[in-house]
Amino acid sequence: DIQMTQSPSTLSASVGDRVTITCRASQTISSWLAWYQQKPGKAPKLLIYKASSLESGVPSRFSGSGSGTEFTLTISSLQPDDFATYYCQQYSSSSTFGQGTEVEIK
Amino acid sequence: QVQLVESGGGLVKPGGSLRLSCAASGFSFSDYYMNWIRQAPGKGLEWVSYTSSITTYTNYADSVKGRFTVSTDNAKNSLYLQMNSLRAEDTAVYYCARARYSSTSCSDYWGQGTLVTVSS
Repeated sequence: DIQMTQSPSTLSASVGDRVTITCRASQTISSWLAWYQQKPGKAPKLLIYKASSLESGVPSRFSGSGSGTEFTLTISSLQPDDFATYYCQQYSSSSTFGQGTEVEIK
Repeated sequence: QVQLVESGGGLVKPGGSLRLSCAASGFSFSDYYMNWIRQAPGKGLEWVSYTSSITTYTNYADSVKGRFTVSTDNAKNSLYLQMNSLRAEDTAVYYCARARYSSTSCSDYWGQGTLVTVSS
């Protein structure tokens, strides 16, 4: 099974900060990686698919990059609505989620 | 608009069974892979299963293989998850999710979730 490791687990940041979250796969997954945002009590929301493609309706301050085993999600200028938990997901072989990164207010 | 509505959650004893349902609307159900994804209280997301009603292909996480069965009913635009031999660690909110077109499990639409509690 492919394991997904996200870092950091928690990130403290301020509005306007540039934020980067990393996701590492235990074996190569090409670009079969997605990023989701989840707020408490709500279903996850798809942000990025195929490592770097922005889902329709998602603000352009979100971007994804990487291929193979190393991936990043970047928020260029953190907004109040962005404080949430973020998950990566590989869908190259079955599917696996990372453990999540909570972005909290500094 | 795409809508996914789960039902069937509840309290069940260890070793018991439960059947979850997901009613889909607003898209051509048979054209998409459908997923079940769960989230234990205070924990992260765990992919459970996906299926395609066109190909009838199914896939399961190792943690549920042999105990859970996913199925679809195209006439009712519905997805199901039959859960047998339930354990305490199966306690979670179960989400039904539609995979993006041509994907198996990258999910662009999610239901609101249904809570399954396994406890004596």
